[in-house]
Amino acid sequence: DAGVIQSPRHEVTEMGQEVTLRCKPISGHNSLFWYRQTMMRGLELLIYFNNNVPIDDSGMPEDRFSAKMPNASFSTLKIQPSEPRDSAVYFCASNLQGLHTDTQYFGPGTRLTVL
Amino acid sequence: QKEVEQNSGPLSVPEGAIASLNCTYSDRGSQSFFWYRQYSGKSPELIMFIYSNGDKEDGRFTAQLNKASQYVSLLIRDSQPSDSATYLCAVPHSGYSTLTFGKGTMLLVSP
Repeated sequence: DAGVIQSPRHEVTEMGQEVTLRCKPISGHNSLFWYRQTMMRGLELLIYFNNNVPIDDSGMPEDRFSAKMPNASFSTLKIQPSEPRDSAVYFCASNLQGLHTDTQYFGPGTRLTVL
Repeated sequence: QKEVEQNSGPLSVPEGAIASLNCTYSDRGSQSFFWYRQYSGKSPELIMFIYSNGDKEDGRFTAQLNKASQYVSLLIRDSQPSDSATYLCAVPHSGYSTLTFGKGTMLLVSP
């Protein structure tokens, strides 16, 4: 079984540019999570989808960030305009919805550098 | 807002020793706890979870939970250089599938 797939794996862009990160969750999973990881702040939850519906977006830092999940097999996280402080590793994770005990399976991450 | 605190380390232990990693949490209502391992440049992966007070063993790993003192520990027996990684403690939000992660403790096991 393929795990969570993320693209691109690395992204280097200039301040002010739009960035789109992509995620394909594990087939059959109906919960999807976007995280951001930095040395300073650790692993932070940005947004959580269940059955393609955003349930908790309280972690989205500001209006420059937006996320969509148009179907069960695809999600995007967009940053527009990007800023140097957005530089981080962005992880997507998925699990079977229901129990909070469900294991979250993480994708390989996208390392974003904003110059 | 739930808080999960971990010593950032690094915790250095020689090969074959017992590594002890600790995590404290602020919400007394927390019922379950997760330990994730993250190798450098890789994504986190679940290694253990624990619900009830006491110990839970899985191979060389033992999770210990003390709800009264609000801490959870991970013991790694017979530490190997391949155990060198950052260990993240996580607590779920009540009623949701989301997790709050600590910043992690880096473990270095020297041959």
